[in-house]
Amino acid sequence: DVKVTQSSRYLVKRTGEKVFLECVQDMDHENMFWYRQDPGLGLRLIYFSYDVKMKEKGDIPEGYSVSREKKERFSLILESASTNQTSMYLCASSSSFGDRKNIQYFGAGTRLSVL
Amino acid sequence: GENVEQHPSTLSVQEGDSAVIKCTYSDSASNYFPWYKQELGKRPQLIIDIRSNVGEKKDQRIAVTLNKTAKHFSLHITETQPEDSAVYFCAAGLANEKLTFGTGTRLTIIP
Repeated sequence: DVKVTQSSRYLVKRTGEKVFLECVQDMDHENMFWYRQDPGLGLRLIYFSYDVKMKEKGDIPEGYSVSREKKERFSLILESASTNQTSMYLCASSSSFGDRKNIQYFGAGTRLSVL
Repeated sequence: GENVEQHPSTLSVQEGDSAVIKCTYSDSASNYFPWYKQELGKRPQLIIDIRSNVGEKKDQRIAVTLNKTAKHFSLHITETQPEDSAVYFCAAGLANEKLTFGTGTRLTIIP
C-alpha cells in the first residue's frame, strides 16, 4: 500500500511565524503535490513537483514556497503565516509510470490554525 | 488554465436509489478524469477514473461517463448504501501533469 505521511495532524501558529509542513511518501513516486482544502472551495493546488529539486506553481502559490531535496520528501513553507492561511493542507503523490500512473495518493492532512 | 465545475454541491437520496454527480471542464486538451471520495475526517481516495479514449467505465455499483465533445463527465452510483455518504470530488487534467479539482458534492444517503 502507498503511504503518504504528513508530519502533523494539527498545528497552531502565530501570525508572522515561519511554518514548515512536511510530507513523505514511500513508493518512489516522481510527482508530489500540496493542496489546501477549504469548505465550498474543494482542493486547490498550491505547488507541485515532478522531480527532485523541481517545482511548479499551482493555482494559489502566493504566500507559500516549497522544497524537494529528496525524492520522497516534499515540504511546504509558509514564510510569514497569516490568518487567511488557516486551512486543511493535503499532500499527495503519484507515479508517472505503470498501471497506477496519475493516481494521486493523499496524506491524512494537516489542519493549520494561524492565530 | 483548466476550470472544473461540479454540481450539485449537496445531494440527498434514499437508500437504494441512484445518485448522479456532474462535472464540466474547460480545457479540451484534458485527458484524465478521476473521482475521489472523502469520508468525514479521512483523506480523499480514488474510487474510479476514466481516460479520454473511452466513454464509460464501470466498477460494481459505480460508473463514470465522459462526453469529450460537450466537455462533461458524470459519476453514477446505483443501489446506494449508507457507506456511500461522503464528499465526492471530480478532477480533470493531462496525464502525468497536475489535476484541477471540482468544489465537491456532499452526498447523504437517507436510510
